[in-house]
Parts: sequence; structure tokens; C-alpha cells
Amino acid sequence: NAGVTQTPKFQVLKTGQSMTLQCAQDMNHEYMSWYRQDPGMGLRLIHYSVGAGITDQGEVPNGYNVSRSTTEDFPLRLLSAAPSQTSVYFCASSRGGPDNYGYTFGSGTRLTVV
Amino acid sequence: QKEVEQDPGPLSVPEGAIVSLNCTYSNSAFQYFMWYRQYSRKGPELLMYTYSSGNKEDGRFTAQVDKSSKYISLFIRDSQPSDSATYLCAMSNRFSGGYNKLIFGAGTRLAVHP
Repeated sequence: NAGVTQTPKFQVLKTGQSMTLQCAQDMNHEYMSWYRQDPGMGLRLIHYSVGAGITDQGEVPNGYNVSRSTTEDFPLRLLSAAPSQTSVYFCASSRGGPDNYGYTFGSGTRLTVV
Repeated sequence: QKEVEQDPGPLSVPEGAIVSLNCTYSNSAFQYFMWYRQYSRKGPELLMYTYSSGNKEDGRFTAQVDKSSKYISLFIRDSQPSDSATYLCAMSNRFSGGYNKLIFGAGTRLAVHP
């Protein structure tokens, strides 16, 4: 029972580089989200999806893109990395909406942009 | 002002103590309240879920919501070293339209020492 799997666990990027953070869930959850966690800021929503083919922006979407071609996968793309994107990124999924059933989170990707 | 305020701690208590963790919020429309526990270098996991006002108990954990004061609490009885983690409160407004986003507090670090 894998739950939500995130890869890679750690990544160092140079300013201006692009990369994709992978997220996959095996629970057939409709809702998926990407959060970033910074000290003193809590979890902030980047992008979310309520089903395959449907995505929308969250609180801090600038510099990030997402797509949802399948129910299982929800990759997050950093277009041109900046030091301000140094953070821990969490992918989360929910069966019927995070306010009804809560989120299942992945173990996170620690990203450093130098 | 943040929508959800949470004292970051750290809070250090001896084993067996009763722990009280708290959050205040400004949006009176919030109806769904959750507590997540996050161990070091792991993703958050849902601990408690409460709808509207009142108390909910689960083993050593009790969640309280006081909507009139815009204040929620998590009590841990007979605290154990394994309770050492960061505790995040989260809340949402079910009828905000569209996707019901969770707003997270910044988290309180708890250390229970033997």
C-alpha cells in the first residue's frame, strides 16, 4: 500500500534550471494538491486538481505548472528555478475533498536552489 | 494578518504531562477543523477532524472547537516521547464555492522528554 509517492526526495538546482517533481497515488483519489512548506509560513497551496484533466491555481502558483493527465499522477514543473523556490514540497491527495476526508501526504521533496 | 495563527513553540514537556496546542483564526465562515501531526522529515498525517463546534475524543487526543472565540485546541493526555512532532491545525469553509481549500497554521513543535 504505497499511498502518495514523491520523487525525488532531495534535489539541488541552479538558478534558471527547470525540473519536474513527480507525484503518484494509488488510492484512486480524485483530489490532488501541491503544497510548499517554509519555516514560519505553514503549508501553502501551489496548485490543485479535482480530477483528471482539471487543474487550478492555489495561493502561490507563480513559477510552477501542473498537469493531470491521469488520476494517479500529478507532476509539478518548475519553469525557471529561483532561490525563493527553495522549500519542502508536498503532494497530497484526498478521496472526496480535503475538508471531508483530509489529505494523505507524500513524504516530501526537499529542493534547494542555488 | 494571517487567517490562521499558531504559536510555533517549541513546547517542551515531561512524559505524562497534559499538552494543550491551540490555534486562532479570523474567518468566521470556517466550519471544518483538523489537526495534523508531522514527524521530522515526513509528510503531515491527519490526526483529528471536527465539524463546527464541540469536542471530539480519540484515545489520548481531544479536539475542541470554540467558534464564538474563533479558537481551536488539541489536548494530549499522558503525553509520550512518540508524540514529539510538529502539530498543524487546518480549517476550511465548506461553502466557499468550488474547491474547498484547507488553510494551515504554521505548526507547533512539541518535544516530550522521558
